[in-house]
Amino acid sequence: GNSVTQMEGPVTLSEEAFLTINCTYTATGYPSLFWYVQYPGEGLQLLLKATKADDKGSNKGFEATYRKETTSFHLEKGSVQVSDSAVYFCALSDGGSNYKLTFGKGTLLTVNP
Amino acid sequence: NAGVTQTPKFQVLKTGQSMTLQCAQDMNHNSMYWYRQDPGMGLRLIYYSASEGTTDKGEVPNGYNVSRLNKREFSLRLESAAPSQTSVYFCASTGVRGKNQPQHFGDGTRLSIL
Repeated sequence: GNSVTQMEGPVTLSEEAFLTINCTYTATGYPSLFWYVQYPGEGLQLLLKATKADDKGSNKGFEATYRKETTSFHLEKGSVQVSDSAVYFCALSDGGSNYKLTFGKGTLLTVNP
Repeated sequence: NAGVTQTPKFQVLKTGQSMTLQCAQDMNHNSMYWYRQDPGMGLRLIYYSASEGTTDKGEVPNGYNVSRLNKREFSLRLESAAPSQTSVYFCASTGVRGKNQPQHFGDGTRLSIL
């Protein structure tokens, strides 16, 4: 079956530091890959996505590249802000009959001023 | 811009009580989903509805039932609540069927069972 493994954290950084959150996956076929962000007390919001190999998704300074050879989709940001403090989830959809998402366990990021 | 609306936002139940969590979306989406979120477990799919009139079990369906009342609404029912069902519940929806389509989430229902 499908699975997503992401670094569990928590991750604590100072403002303006570089961020990497690792995500690797196991799936049949050619899945689409997503990063979602959950701010405290809120639901999940789509941060970025990539739908085929070598695609780069980007949004709000965050980037992730779909690497089929390493089955990875690592999230990066060059300079984090306090407002980026949240839980980040990596997820995939393999296009199965009902397009269900498989999520990683989430990574809590705290950015200190 | 309501998107996906869940009610209630918070609820405390006693073991054995029943309740229904409500979810409604105003985006004319076909597919709707119920997840639970537990610490260290990520999100796990409880039930989903690919289209109006259909429902299917997800990863952790035991102890739950669902109803797809119409295209907009998808409810989750706990018939006899247990402490193990203490969790945060999220409803999500997606429109055009395809693996590239993201899901849109509500803000969650925080449920505690004593």
